[in-house]
Amino acid sequence: DIQMTQSPSSLSASVGDRVTITCRASQSISRYLNWYQQKPGKAPNLLIYAASSLQRGVPSRFSGSGSGTYFTLTITNLQPEDFATYYCQQSYNVPRTFGQGTKVEIK
Amino acid sequence: VQLVESGGGVVQPGRSLRLSCAASGFTFRSYAMHWVRQAPGRGLEYVSAINYNGGSTYYADSVKGRFTISRDNSKNTLYLQMGSLRAEDMAVYYCARETREEDGSNDYWGQGTLVTVSS
Repeated sequence: DIQMTQSPSSLSASVGDRVTITCRASQSISRYLNWYQQKPGKAPNLLIYAASSLQRGVPSRFSGSGSGTYFTLTITNLQPEDFATYYCQQSYNVPRTFGQGTKVEIK
Repeated sequence: VQLVESGGGVVQPGRSLRLSCAASGFTFRSYAMHWVRQAPGRGLEYVSAINYNGGSTYYADSVKGRFTISRDNSKNTLYLQMGSLRAEDMAVYYCARETREEDGSNDYWGQGTLVTVSS
């Protein structure tokens, strides 16, 4: 199975900050990398697919980059509704493994 | 697009339970579907997947031999038959649609159904 490692596991930030979360794959996954946002008690919500494509309806302050084994999710101008947990997921093969999650908290 | 899970509840260790996921708002028979679970306070764990016509399935090692994924395209419904349940199977179970694009992401998710394994 492909292992996905996110960092950091959690971070504290303020409204208006720029935040970057990283995700590393244990082997090359080309650009088969997706990012999800999950709020407490809710289902995950797709933000970014294919490493850098913004899902319809997702604000443009979210962006993704990377290929191969290293990927990033960046949130610019952090908004109150962005405080949540973020997961990366590889869709290169099955099982579609997830990172362990990054919790973005209010500073 | 709507996905609605049902069938969760409290079950004793070693018993069985069947989850359902009713799909609407899209052509269900054209999409691969997935089950993902989340134990209390933990991250997301991939459980099982099935292709558009049920001809191909996948299971995580943790559930292989105990869980069976299936679908009824005439009823627009996805199923997860869970057997020999263990305490570590306790989680919220989500069904999710796989996009038809090459990227393989899960673009729609249900609200989840909670499975509690306890004696």
